[in-house]
Order: sequence, then C-alpha cells, then structure tokens
Amino acid sequence: QSALTQPASVSGSPGQSITISCTGTISDVGGYDYVSWYQQHPGKAPKLMIYDVTKRPSGVSDRFSGSKSGNTASLTISGLQAEDEADYSCCSYAGSSTYVFGTGTKVTVL
Amino acid sequence: EVQLVESGGGLVQPGGSLRLSCAASGFIFRSYWMHWVRQVPGERLVWVSRINADGSETSYADSVKGRFTISRDNAKNTLFLQMNSLRADDTAVYYCARDGSLPDYWGQGTLVTVSS
Repeated sequence: QSALTQPASVSGSPGQSITISCTGTISDVGGYDYVSWYQQHPGKAPKLMIYDVTKRPSGVSDRFSGSKSGNTASLTISGLQAEDEADYSCCSYAGSSTYVFGTGTKVTVL
Repeated sequence: EVQLVESGGGLVQPGGSLRLSCAASGFIFRSYWMHWVRQVPGERLVWVSRINADGSETSYADSVKGRFTISRDNAKNTLFLQMNSLRADDTAVYYCARDGSLPDYWGQGTLVTVSS
C-alpha cells in the first residue's frame, strides 16, 4: 500500500492553469476508474473536487477538471484564483477493498 | 445537509485503547459504505478502514489490521473505530468519511495522541 506520487508543490499566477499529477501503478490508478481529488485548507477537512477520474460534484467550479492516462491521473485548475491556494490530494481504489492516497501537493498562487 | 461529527479522540498511553465515534445526519446512513482516514498534521492523508452498508464487510490498511475494528450502528446513525494496542505512530487526526465510490463527505476530525 505505497502512497501515490504527487509533486510536493505547484505554483502559478492568477488566471493561469496548473496541472497536478498523481502517479500510481496498474494495481491502483491504472487498474480502475476510481480516482478522486481533494482540496484541503489548513486546519480544515478535505473537500471532494473530482471523483471517478473526471466527474465534478455539484457546487464545484468547472475550473477544476480531472483526467487519467495509464497509471497517472491529473487534476487541472484553470483560471487560477487566490482561493485555490491549498493542499490537494488524490485517492485511488487499490483493489481488495483497499484504498490509497497520494503524497499531497501544495498549490501556491503567486 | 450531510453532516459527520467525530468524537472520542484524546491522549492515550502506548498500548492503550480508544473508541472513536462518528455521528451521521443529512443522508440515509444505512445505505452508504463508510471510511476512516487519518492524517498526521502537516502530512498526507492515509486510508485506515472501510465498512459496507450493513456492516457485514470490512477492510483495513495493513498498518492497523488486527488492532483496529470498524463497526456501525445503523439504528443510531453512528460509525465506530475501536483502536487497541495503540502506538506512537497512530497519532493523527482521524476523519470519518462517507463513500461515494471513494470518500466524498468528510467530518472535521478528532485528534488522537498516543504518548506516555
């Protein structure tokens, strides 16, 4: 149950687009279309931003989008805003009723 | 509105036990699988355990298997995590989360500190 690999930090200027990667294996990310992304502000609970690789929950801005290629899932934030500054984590189903989270990425808005 | 409220955290000595609770409201609790996820402040989220809707199936991370037990009381809309043989590396904020293919709604968490 090794963690999925994410970049430690990603930054961008307001209005720009950034992409966060989440790399696993065929046993997790590559093997199932069950990848979710969470936004977490300091001291707060995670908030679901993307589920089932590409789906966006009601109320989440369409500036957030998800995709997957092989063993790597990605979260793209377009039109970056100051409020997007937070930690982002991916999660994948890993088979045998187990789940695995990513190492987490700190997004900084310059 | 979906609400999940954890309780039961606190300071416990190594080798001790603690039982966490998660009170659910705003959705049909008995219809959903549920998770426990933990996070050392400043570190990554770590999946701990999952239980199916009627409580008949459970799964655990290797790090807690044999020490932690997840259960639920659908009549009281409550999820539990019994934690035994606690170790220092179990220190974390423990979140309960509803399953919507993966965790979707989360509680605010309860802090468990294992220290002598």
